[in-house]
Amino acid sequence: AQSVTQPDIHITVSEGASLELRCNYSYGATPYLFWYVQSPGQGLQLLLKYFSGDTLVQGIKGFEAEFKRSQSSFNLRKPSVHWSDAAEYFCAVGGYQKVTFGTGTKLQVIP
Amino acid sequence: EPEVTQTPSHQVTQMGQEVILRCVPISNHLYFYWYRQILGQKVEFLVSFYNNEISEKSEIFDDQFSVERPDGSNFTLKIRSTKLEDSAMYFCASSEKMGEFGYTFGSGTRLTVV
Repeated sequence: AQSVTQPDIHITVSEGASLELRCNYSYGATPYLFWYVQSPGQGLQLLLKYFSGDTLVQGIKGFEAEFKRSQSSFNLRKPSVHWSDAAEYFCAVGGYQKVTFGTGTKLQVIP
Repeated sequence: EPEVTQTPSHQVTQMGQEVILRCVPISNHLYFYWYRQILGQKVEFLVSFYNNEISEKSEIFDDQFSVERPDGSNFTLKIRSTKLEDSAMYFCASSEKMGEFGYTFGSGTRLTVV
């Protein structure tokens, strides 16, 4: 069965600081991996996705993620966080039939 | 950029009533999904739909739930007799190919059962 673990429920960073959100997955084959962002009361916006090829994936809003098969990880990074990045971030692993989401990491950005 | 459209954005219904949540997937997408997010919890898979039939469903998707593609553009989720615990945000999603290219989600319908 596919599963996703996001070990950090809540993270606080200062504006301008770097960010890394952790994600570990379990999947029987080569996974499709995604990061979504959700602002309060809003829908899910796709930040980036990985299917194959280059293990460093660039996404929207300056985010990137690195797929590490040996560690079953797909961590999300941003070099300099903006106040508008405050939201909840979900890592997800997709098979052929469905996407399984992690429990999410809430990002708080302080001045 | 193409969008998945969901209506209504917010629906309040009395316990025991039937509700239909509507979605218009992206026009060239062939795979359709419903997900649910209870307030403060993670997003959970309900059902996937392809070629006019259910491909996979979760244990949440019991006999109270049904999905339909009544015409070439709409994709609906019906809850036959709502319960208080059905209160959640319901997201529709679609994809061009199964799993690939990512899933485009709608902005959700917040269902409140009173």
